[in-house]
Amino acid sequence: QVQLVQSGAEVKKPGASVKVSCKASGYTFTGYYMHWVRQAPGQGLEWMGWINPNSGGTNYAQKFQGRVTMTRDTSISTAYMELSRLRSDDTAVYYCARDGGHCSSTSCYPDYWGQGTLVTVSS
Amino acid sequence: QLVLTQSPSASASLGASVKLTCTLSSGHSSYAIAWHQQQPEKGPRYLMKLNSDGSHSKGDGIPDRFSGSSSGAERYLTISSLQSEDEADYYCQTWGTGIPVVFGGGTKLTVL
Repeated sequence: QVQLVQSGAEVKKPGASVKVSCKASGYTFTGYYMHWVRQAPGQGLEWMGWINPNSGGTNYAQKFQGRVTMTRDTSISTAYMELSRLRSDDTAVYYCARDGGHCSSTSCYPDYWGQGTLVTVSS
Repeated sequence: QLVLTQSPSASASLGASVKLTCTLSSGHSSYAIAWHQQQPEKGPRYLMKLNSDGSHSKGDGIPDRFSGSSSGAERYLTISSLQSEDEADYYCQTWGTGIPVVFGGGTKLTVL
């Protein structure tokens, strides 16, 4: 069965960086794009970007360009999301989510979600 | 601009049916969407992909009580025989060429 297991909660100071990991199992890691989505406390879902684990290619939401970096290590089937220059409004639960395929014009949606990683930004 | 609009809240009685609505912005009425469920204090769960013609494909283990339909720019999620565990936030989501992934604001469903 498909499983996405994320790293534990983090507390960071403003201006620092955070790197969240997402270990995939139960499927061929390089065969499916991986999304990153965040949810601020009491708010809705916000898409941050995706990575193609096969090529390493990425597509970031305009809001996060310049601050987010998505990478992967295919040898351990793990995706990473690093967010830099953290601010208090980056406090949120960050989710990795497998795409149903290759995020094309006909289909681009998560079909499996990780359990989430709480990142708290506070001085 | 590609935008999804959802009512903030809905309610229905235990055992009844409820129909949640997601509206695509003008010019995007042919777009498919996906529905996701988020139970309290849990991560989201994919429910189904819903096409403009009403055809849909559900995720693994999603009960038959969940179904989707479409009319024009409206995309619907119908939950029948409501159970207490259906009390959750429901998000619609779509995709476009300029903005790869867009989420609606979510509907909080209360089961009375």
